[in-house]
Amino acid sequence: EVVLTQSPATLSVSPGERATLSCKASQSVSSDLAWYQQKPGQAPRLLIFGASTRATGIPARFSGSGSGTEFTLTISSLQSEDFAVYHCQQYNTWPWTFGQGTKVEVK
Amino acid sequence: QVQLVQSGSEVKKPGSSVKVSCKVSGGTFSTYVLSWVRQAPGEGLEWMGGIIPVFDKTNYAQKFQGRVTITADTSTSTAYMELSSLRSEDTAVYFCARDHVSGVFDVWGQGTRVTVSS
Repeated sequence: EVVLTQSPATLSVSPGERATLSCKASQSVSSDLAWYQQKPGQAPRLLIFGASTRATGIPARFSGSGSGTEFTLTISSLQSEDFAVYHCQQYNTWPWTFGQGTKVEVK
Repeated sequence: QVQLVQSGSEVKKPGSSVKVSCKVSGGTFSTYVLSWVRQAPGEGLEWMGGIIPVFDKTNYAQKFQGRVTITADTSTSTAYMELSSLRSEDTAVYFCARDHVSGVFDVWGQGTRVTVSS
């Protein structure tokens, strides 16, 4: 199965700063990569699919890039509500797999 | 607006089974692809399998083959996930989720906590 490795495990950022999260795949997944945001006690929320397409209602400060095996989620200016765990997920090859998550915390 | 509402928390003994439900409101249930994803404490997300109710077709992750059964009742717009031979490692929150595009999950249930303990 495709293994997704997210880095860093924890990212400490001040409000208003930029956050850059990485997701690397063990084999090419083309552009079949999604990003989700998850807050404590809540279900994940779809942010990005197709590596770079924002889901409905997602603010423009969230952007995704990459293809093949290397992907990036960028949050251009962190708002208080953005502190959460972010998961990447590939849907190119069965079984669908997720990364272990990156926690974005307040610096 | 599509909503997925799951059944409540469960506490089970090792070796037993659990069946979690996911009721869908809004939209056309039978045409959706519904998946089950679990999250063990402090861990990442893990896809278990999915179903297309209109075809009654299922697909399971190999890890869970033989232990998980996903079904759907189109008359009540409800999907079910049954996991058997439970062990402590199955303690997790189980989510149902709708496929937006094959493998992309745009609507999620609230999660059902399953605790396996003797």
